[in-house]
Amino acid sequence: GAVVSQHPSRVICKSGTSVKIECRSLDFQATTMFWYRQFPKKSLMLMATSNEGSKATYEQGVEKDKFLINHASLTLSTLTVTSAHPEDSSFYICSAPGLRGPYNEQFFGPGTRLTVL
Amino acid sequence: RKEVEQDPGPFNVPEGATVAFNCTYSNSASQSFFWYRQDCRKEPKLLMSVYSSGNEDGRFTAQLNRASQYISLLIRDSKLSDSATYLCVVVLNTDKLIFGTGTRLQVFP
Repeated sequence: GAVVSQHPSRVICKSGTSVKIECRSLDFQATTMFWYRQFPKKSLMLMATSNEGSKATYEQGVEKDKFLINHASLTLSTLTVTSAHPEDSSFYICSAPGLRGPYNEQFFGPGTRLTVL
Repeated sequence: RKEVEQDPGPFNVPEGATVAFNCTYSNSASQSFFWYRQDCRKEPKLLMSVYSSGNEDGRFTAQLNRASQYISLLIRDSKLSDSATYLCVVVLNTDKLIFGTGTRLQVFP
């Protein structure tokens, strides 16, 4: 089946630094990708929709200047957490929809665990 | 009110038991429905889609009641490997997935 990769899988950084997370669709093209955040024992919360060739669409309450999204190609979307703080520590997961139409399986990346010290 | 609500559990059941999870959603315009499974510190994986007519996949049966905005998942003959968090997922008129908080299942020997 379709595969989505994420890099890095785990990152630990100091407060105030910026962290870039990559999401790649390995064997299919994705004009749309989604970024989620998951806190411990909580559900996945959609942060934004990444659109190839255009601006990302952010969910209410998500700061677009803090979470920069770039969808530069049909197989790559990046999420940059700028000036990270300890409260940004979380599990970040990306997904891309399958090829069979709008309401089908989403393929998830393995996630990136961010720890901000 | 949350868009998708689930009982967080945990449900602790012995091997071989039958267990049922429920989920309610608030947006009547929801188009598609799924159950995903998430293991600890892993990404969610699709378990099954949910249709109004009900559908079954081996030991798993899913039901959708649009009138009541209610989704269910039944697991028969539970296995140790079924231990995970089960996420109810609703899709609106785009590809955006709305996740429930998940129901944790622990199957013990």
